[in-house]
Amino acid sequence: QKEVEQDPGPLSVPEGAIVSLNCTYSNSAFQYFMWYRQYSRKGPELLMYTYSSGNKEDGRFTAQVDKSSKYISLFIRDSQPSDSATYLCAMSPPGGGNKLTFGTGTQLKVEL
Amino acid sequence: DTEVTQTPKHLVMGMTNKKSLKCEQHMGHRAMYWYKQKAKKPPELMFVYSYEKLSINESVPSRFSPECPNSSLLNLHLHALQPEDSALYLCASSQVGQGGNEQFFGPGTRLTVL
Repeated sequence: QKEVEQDPGPLSVPEGAIVSLNCTYSNSAFQYFMWYRQYSRKGPELLMYTYSSGNKEDGRFTAQVDKSSKYISLFIRDSQPSDSATYLCAMSPPGGGNKLTFGTGTQLKVEL
Repeated sequence: DTEVTQTPKHLVMGMTNKKSLKCEQHMGHRAMYWYKQKAKKPPELMFVYSYEKLSINESVPSRFSPECPNSSLLNLHLHALQPEDSALYLCASSQVGQGGNEQFFGPGTRLTVL
């Protein structure tokens, strides 16, 4: 079993939809959680960063962490075609030496 | 400035060539990373430098040789690569800490080994 599981998709939604992207993990030591957006043939772009449990909102994006269920989510409101990309979750424990454990990425397509 | 720059954008090399990838950041970060990414896969960590010293080598073959000349620059020297080394090579940087520091990635160098 992988430490971090993420549905690879592809996930196709109409413009304006609310998108929910999720990762589950098995290592209860993970405390730091990140979401990256990666456009085709580009480097990953950090979207959201959260520590421990709770919610964090930034514009159309909301990151949610449920440590009791070992489950994290990224919600995108009013999705746009420009949101079409691969979304990677990443996480690390304290004292992890800056090593991130990535999910496999979910490919999202927002259709006009 | 939250930018990590990488050169070149694309590189094609033969198996006997020697080439170098370059990375630069001016965010004052003291940790820098090299990752390798294959198509439809997440980035795979290769090396970590912390305060200009190599702190993590993920059992990378010696045909990849990293170098950190100063706190802003990171190089990856390539020699005698194999076709399976063709990939997107990503540089990243972050603060040094006890874990979980946000890593900022560059745009990558797309490497093709013939």
